[in-house]
Amino acid sequence: AQSVTQLDSQVPVFEEAPVELRCNYSSSVSVYLFWYVQYPNQGLQLLLKYLSGSTLVKGINGFEAEFNKSQTSFHLRKPSVHISDTAEYFCAVSDRIRSNDYKLSFGAGTTVTVRA
Amino acid sequence: KAGVTQTPRYLIKTRGQQVTLSCSPISGHRSVSWYQQTPGQGLQFLFEYFSETQRNKGNFPGRFSGRQFSNSRSEMNVSTLELGDSALYLCASSHQGQGSNYGYTFGSGTRLTVV
Repeated sequence: AQSVTQLDSQVPVFEEAPVELRCNYSSSVSVYLFWYVQYPNQGLQLLLKYLSGSTLVKGINGFEAEFNKSQTSFHLRKPSVHISDTAEYFCAVSDRIRSNDYKLSFGAGTTVTVRA
Repeated sequence: KAGVTQTPRYLIKTRGQQVTLSCSPISGHRSVSWYQQTPGQGLQFLFEYFSETQRNKGNFPGRFSGRQFSNSRSEMNVSTLELGDSALYLCASSHQGQGSNYGYTFGSGTRLTVV
C-alpha cells in the first residue's frame, strides 16, 4: 500500500518569505501526485497535480511543485507567501490498483502559519 | 458549474443516536468518496461509491455505511454514535474515481459533534 510522508507538521513563515513543504511517498511504478489546501472550516481545494511530462508543475495562487522520481518526492514551494496562505496543506498520491480504479492516499498534513 | 454540496454543514447529536449525511457531487461525476477528518487521525478514507456500487472501503466499523443513488448523490449513515465519531466528514467527487488523473473535488464538509 502506498504511504505518503509529509516531513513537517508545522511550518511558521514570515510574510513575503519563501516556503517549501516536503512530501515523500513510497515507490510505485506510476503514480499521480496532488497537493491540496484546506482553509479553516472548509473542504480541500486542489492546488496542483502531476500526471506526467514536465517535472515542474505550476498551480494556483503562485504555488509550484517538483516531481523527483529518483527521490520519490513531490515538494511544494512558493517564492513569496501572503497572510492568506495560512492553511493546512495535504500531499496526496494516487495508485492504480486495478483497471479504472485508483486508491488515493493522503499525508498527515502540514500547517503553514504566515506572520506579518 | 456547481461544486460538491454537503448537507448539513453542522450537526450536534447525542451518543447512541444515528445520523445521515448527504453529498451531491458535481454533475457528471460518478464517483463519490467519503473521508473522516480529525485532529488526531488526519484524513481517513471511509468508502467510495462508483455508479451506485461500493467499490472501495476503509477500515471503519460496520456502524459506518453509505449508499449512492442513480443520480450519483450519496449518503453516509453512522449508527449508534460514539463521542469519537465527532469529526469533519468530507465528501469528494470525481469523474473516474479516487485520485485518477481527473483529481478530486471536495465539498466543504459536515461538522459532526457527538455529545
